[in-house]
Amino acid sequence: DAGVIQSPRHEVTEMGQEVTLRCKPISGHDYLFWYRQTMMRGLELLIYFNNNVPIDDSGMPEDRFSAKMPNASFSTLKIQPSEPRDSAVYFCASRKSGVSNWALNTEAFFGQGTRLTVV
Amino acid sequence: AQSVTQLGSHVSVSEGALVLLRCNYSSSVPPYLFWYVQYPNQGLQLLLKYTTGATLVKGINGFEAEFKKSETSFHLTKPSAHMSDAAEYFCAVTLMDTGRRALTFGSGTRLQVQP
Repeated sequence: DAGVIQSPRHEVTEMGQEVTLRCKPISGHDYLFWYRQTMMRGLELLIYFNNNVPIDDSGMPEDRFSAKMPNASFSTLKIQPSEPRDSAVYFCASRKSGVSNWALNTEAFFGQGTRLTVV
Repeated sequence: AQSVTQLGSHVSVSEGALVLLRCNYSSSVPPYLFWYVQYPNQGLQLLLKYTTGATLVKGINGFEAEFKKSETSFHLTKPSAHMSDAAEYFCAVTLMDTGRRALTFGSGTRLQVQP
């Protein structure tokens, strides 16, 4: 399996532009998570999906951020308009739920991240 | 709500020395605890996890951690550091018996290994 695939790996954009980050989870995984990593705030959960449905978006910082998961193999995180303070590394992760015991499948697999720079 | 605190943002050890990275958690219900490692420009990779059962958990690359409920701790250790262990390490928690399935991460500890 290729693992969690994120694109692009690096993105540099000007303030005010729309940015779309993409994620392909591991096949068969039914949970998908978006995290943001910054020096100041560390790793923050933005949103997560279960079976393509958003479960918890309380970490999404503002209305400028939106995430979708149109199918089991693809998710996007969009920032519109982007601002310099959005500069960070954005990680996508996926996990497969356990059949009868959630503890058996707790490992989340992370993509390599997208480094976003907004200038 | 759950949280984790990692004591020490930077730890430096000599090659061959003991590695000890500290993690304390806070939760109102039994936790699941994890250690992840992040190499430069990479995603996070699971080192080990505690869910239920044995409190001493062994992971990859010779690392292990012990869940101590009385101390609310889950410290990561390795008897002998190797240069390749230099990376950032994250402790994380999620809770049993809740609907929340996402991990809450600590702020990370950067491990340096001196030759």
